Amino acid sequence: AQSVTQLGSHVSVSEGALVLLRCNYSSSVPPYLFWYVQYPNQGLQLLLKYTSAATLVKGINGFEAEFKKSETSFHLTKPSAHMSDAAEYFCAVIPNSGGYQKVTFGTGTKLQVIP
Amino acid sequence: DTEVTQTPKHLVMGMTNKKSLKCEQHMGHRAMYWYKQKAKKPPELMFVYSYEKLSINESVPSRFSPECPNSSLLNLHLHALQPEDSALYLCASSQVGGQGINYGYTFGSGTRLTVV
Repeated sequence: AQSVTQLGSHVSVSEGALVLLRCNYSSSVPPYLFWYVQYPNQGLQLLLKYTSAATLVKGINGFEAEFKKSETSFHLTKPSAHMSDAAEYFCAVIPNSGGYQKVTFGTGTKLQVIP
Repeated sequence: DTEVTQTPKHLVMGMTNKKSLKCEQHMGHRAMYWYKQKAKKPPELMFVYSYEKLSINESVPSRFSPECPNSSLLNLHLHALQPEDSALYLCASSQVGGQGINYGYTFGSGTRLTVV
């Protein structure tokens, strides 16, 4: 069974600083990988996804992530944090097996941005 | 239209009430999902519909009853809920299979349910 691990349930950064949120997956076959963001009392919004087309994936709001097969990682980064980036971030994985998409979510990382 | 619309946004119900949550999408997605999310936790899968047929029921209590009347609509009927059922209920939709680029859910904004 595949799983995804997010290191750090809380991450604090200063406004303007680099954002790095970590995600590692376990799967014998590279799956499809996603990052979602959730603002308070909202649903989940897709930030970006890796579907084997390119290892460096650019998403919305200036975020990007790099798929590293050798490290089984898919870390999320943003060069300069904004106050509006404060939210919960979930890494997620879907097996590369067709059919409906059963997602496995990580436990989430709450990003705090300090003025 | 690239949205999943959920109604109502907020719902307070008593333990003897019957209510329904509604979800609608017009993206042509043929898989639809109900998730339950408790505070500070990731979403937990409840039900999956694929081509309007129930594909997965993750051992959800019978007081939750899903319904998929057509390819655009998904309902969740609620009856005799318990206070511990209070949570954010999220609907999502996706393609079924196909190319990798089609993968990924589109989520609705959720219904915040409080059972009193």
